[in-house]
Amino acid sequence: DQQVKQNSPSLSVQEGRISILNCDYTNSMFDYFLWYKKYPAEGPTFLISISSIKDKNEDGRFTVFLNKSAKHLSLHIVPSQPGDSAVYFCAASEDSGNTPLVFGKGTRLSVIA
Amino acid sequence: DTEVTQTPKHLVMGMTNKKSLKCEQHMGHRAMYWYKQKAKKPPELMFVYSYEKLSINESVPSRFSPECPNSSLLNLHLHALQPEDSALYLCASRRQALMNTEAFFGQGTRLTVV
Repeated sequence: DQQVKQNSPSLSVQEGRISILNCDYTNSMFDYFLWYKKYPAEGPTFLISISSIKDKNEDGRFTVFLNKSAKHLSLHIVPSQPGDSAVYFCAASEDSGNTPLVFGKGTRLSVIA
Repeated sequence: DTEVTQTPKHLVMGMTNKKSLKCEQHMGHRAMYWYKQKAKKPPELMFVYSYEKLSINESVPSRFSPECPNSSLLNLHLHALQPEDSALYLCASRRQALMNTEAFFGQGTRLTVV
């Protein structure tokens, strides 16, 4: 049973426009959510995170929104750049460090120039 | 320093070989992880070490043997692997504290079993 779901395997966006990547989760014990970006044959790179006590966290062009009642989070990238093209993984965990991250299946973002 | 270093970057081994993957971090993180990733799939958890003790083994076959010699090092010993074990093996570390923190990943070891 998938606890973290990314239902869109791929997304194409024009350069300069907004990219919105979505993630749903089923485990109500999750209290910390992260987004990772991954290029082929490399390890995931941390992008941005949000704790369950917040509903929004912003870092430069990246904003993560959390809707706890809907068990839904989204990553907004604006403006999108060609260098943002990668696979984006949503991840979640239940506590501060011992519980491992549970990953979604990823969404491949292509930003077209 | 937010780096997790994995060696080697690439490894080709036969099914009768014994090899080891190494992972090192100097961030003072006390939780370390091994993940396995196949193409077009998310990383799958294999092992978790917490304060140098194995705390989670996700029913990984015994041909994979983890070892945590100290708080900075994590090894994965490989023996009698199968071709289907070919994958990208990722090491990650995370600070254990009261606050939630991100996990830092290494660049991975691309393993091919022939």
